[in-house]
Amino acid sequence: DIQMTQSPSSLSASVGERVIISCRASQSVDTNLHWYQQKPGQAPQLLIYGSSTLQGGVPSRFSGSGSGTDFTLTISSLQPEDFAAYYCQQSYSSPLTFGGGTKVEIK
Amino acid sequence: QVQLVQSGSEVKKPGASVQVSCKASGYRFTDNYIHWVRQVPGQGLEWLGRITPHTGGTKSAQRFQDRLTMTRDSSTSTFHLELKNLRFNDTAVYYCARGPTTTSRGWFDPWGQGTLVTVSS
Repeated sequence: DIQMTQSPSSLSASVGERVIISCRASQSVDTNLHWYQQKPGQAPQLLIYGSSTLQGGVPSRFSGSGSGTDFTLTISSLQPEDFAAYYCQQSYSSPLTFGGGTKVEIK
Repeated sequence: QVQLVQSGSEVKKPGASVQVSCKASGYRFTDNYIHWVRQVPGQGLEWLGRITPHTGGTKSAQRFQDRLTMTRDSSTSTFHLELKNLRFNDTAVYYCARGPTTTSRGWFDPWGQGTLVTVSS
């Protein structure tokens, strides 16, 4: 199974700050890497697929990059509605696996 | 719009079985794979398996293969997950989620609202 490791597991940031979340795969997943946002009590929502393609309706302050084993999710200017948990997921091979999550909290 | 609506919360005893339903609407039922993912409260996400709507073929994560059954009812556009021989650590929110049209793997969008399954004696 491909192991996905996110860092940090949590972070505190202020509104307007730039936030970077990392995701590392235990072996190459090419660009088969996707990002989700999950708010408390809600289902996850797709933000980015294929490493860097923004899902329709997602604000342009979110961006993704990377290929192979190292990926990043960047929020260019954190907004109050962005405080949530973020998960990466690989679809290169089965079983599909997720990172452990990064919780973004208010500073 | 595309929507997945799941059945309500369940409380089960250890050793029992649970069935969770997921009704799809807003798109052609046979176009997209449906995946099942669970989340233990306060923890991360775990992929359980997926079903191919037009054939009913399934693929499960190995550790669930002997306890997990996924089916679909084309007449009602509804997917079902059954987990047998429940254990305390099966307590989780179970989600269905739609995959893309082009691959049996891929990303998930949208997700159902989730069904809490509590295993308690």
